[in-house]
Amino acid sequence: SQTIHQWPATLVQPVGSPLSLECTVEGTSNPNLYWYRQAAGRGLQLLFYSVGIGQISSEVPQNLSASRPQDRQFILSSKKLLLSDSGFYLCAWTPGSTDTQYFGPGTRLTVL
Amino acid sequence: QKEVEQDPGPLSVPEGAIVSLNCTYSNSAFQYFMWYRQYSRKGPELLMYTYSSGNKEDGRFTAQVDKSSKYISLFIRDSQPSDSATYLCAMSGVSGGSNYKLTFGKGTLLTVNP
Repeated sequence: SQTIHQWPATLVQPVGSPLSLECTVEGTSNPNLYWYRQAAGRGLQLLFYSVGIGQISSEVPQNLSASRPQDRQFILSSKKLLLSDSGFYLCAWTPGSTDTQYFGPGTRLTVL
Repeated sequence: QKEVEQDPGPLSVPEGAIVSLNCTYSNSAFQYFMWYRQYSRKGPELLMYTYSSGNKEDGRFTAQVDKSSKYISLFIRDSQPSDSATYLCAMSGVSGGSNYKLTFGKGTLLTVNP
């Protein structure tokens, strides 16, 4: 069966520090991968998605970037965090043949 | 007009009640409809998936789609305190496309009181 992992689970970072969040999927190959941010009262905001290694599409211009160095690995990064980057970050995946997305457990990021 | 509208609630019901959660949408291209359940501080989990108009039942949960009215519903029968969560609707218009982006509602917070 397929499993999606995210780490760390929680993170507290100072403003201006770098960020690296990691997402990995097990039990499948060539998944589509997604990064979302969920802020209170604002719903799920799609940040990036990837249909293959090295292929990244950005949905919202911002302080963040994404990379996909391996088929089942998706990384969300920032060089300098802003207060507004605080939120709950969710990684999701779909198999190549369906639009149903499956979410990871999330990373709660607090920028102070 | 937003593509997907969902009443954020909060919705509070007694245990055993029938719960009705709803979303409306404006994009007539949407064909695939999903409901996710999200417990506090957890990732959303897929609850129901339906294609086009009609009903789909899974245990105590029934998903209903009315494409003519651009309206989808999730019914929960015999609600339990363990059903307390945020429920998110999601939809897409393309299956077999290259990116499978979903459009989500903002979620409805449900509390079932024992």
